[in-house]
Amino acid sequence: EDQVTQSPEALRLQEGESSSLNCSYTVSGLRGLFWYRQDPGKGPEFLFTLYSAGEEKEKERLKATLTKKESFLHITAPKPEDSATYLCAVRGGRGSTLGRLYFGRGTQLTVWP
Amino acid sequence: NAGVTQTPKFQVLKTGQSMTLQCAQDMNHNSMYWYRQDPGMGLRLIYYSASEGTTDKGEVPNGYNVSRLNKREFSLRLESAAPSQTSVYFCASSERSSNEQFFGPGTRLTVL
Repeated sequence: EDQVTQSPEALRLQEGESSSLNCSYTVSGLRGLFWYRQDPGKGPEFLFTLYSAGEEKEKERLKATLTKKESFLHITAPKPEDSATYLCAVRGGRGSTLGRLYFGRGTQLTVWP
Repeated sequence: NAGVTQTPKFQVLKTGQSMTLQCAQDMNHNSMYWYRQDPGMGLRLIYYSASEGTTDKGEVPNGYNVSRLNKREFSLRLESAAPSQTSVYFCASSERSSNEQFFGPGTRLTVL
């Protein structure tokens, strides 16, 4: 059973066209939801950590939000340099999931000029 | 401050060969991790070390062994490589196991 599901799998945006990426999760006792950016041929780069429903974090054109069942990564007026794969991960808080990070498959974002 | 470094960057093995992937971090982190990333799948945890002197199995440990050599270094060994181990391997570290993880650039391994 998937712990983390990301949608859409791929998203193409025109420069300046705002949108949102979704990450839904089913882990019990959430102890953190993490967003990463991954460029081709490179390791994931940490963006945000969210811990509780209602929490929001911002960095430049990116804003991450969290509810009890899902997280959104909002991208405002994206630029071509925002093109990357965005990964979501959750840390479980109970039983076999305690302490481990479970990653989604990612959303591949392409922003064209 | 190099962060997390991994060697080698690329490797091609024949089935049955062995090799060790090296990882080092200079952030004085306590916890270190090994993941593999395959097309169409999320990152999957192979082994982790919550602190120096301890190691634990992750989601996909079969066919691998690890050594936490000291606080800085965490190696991953394939004793008898199989084609199913063709993947990109990432090492990561975090200050504690409850904190965000920082990743290395990866090792691209092909087993023929």
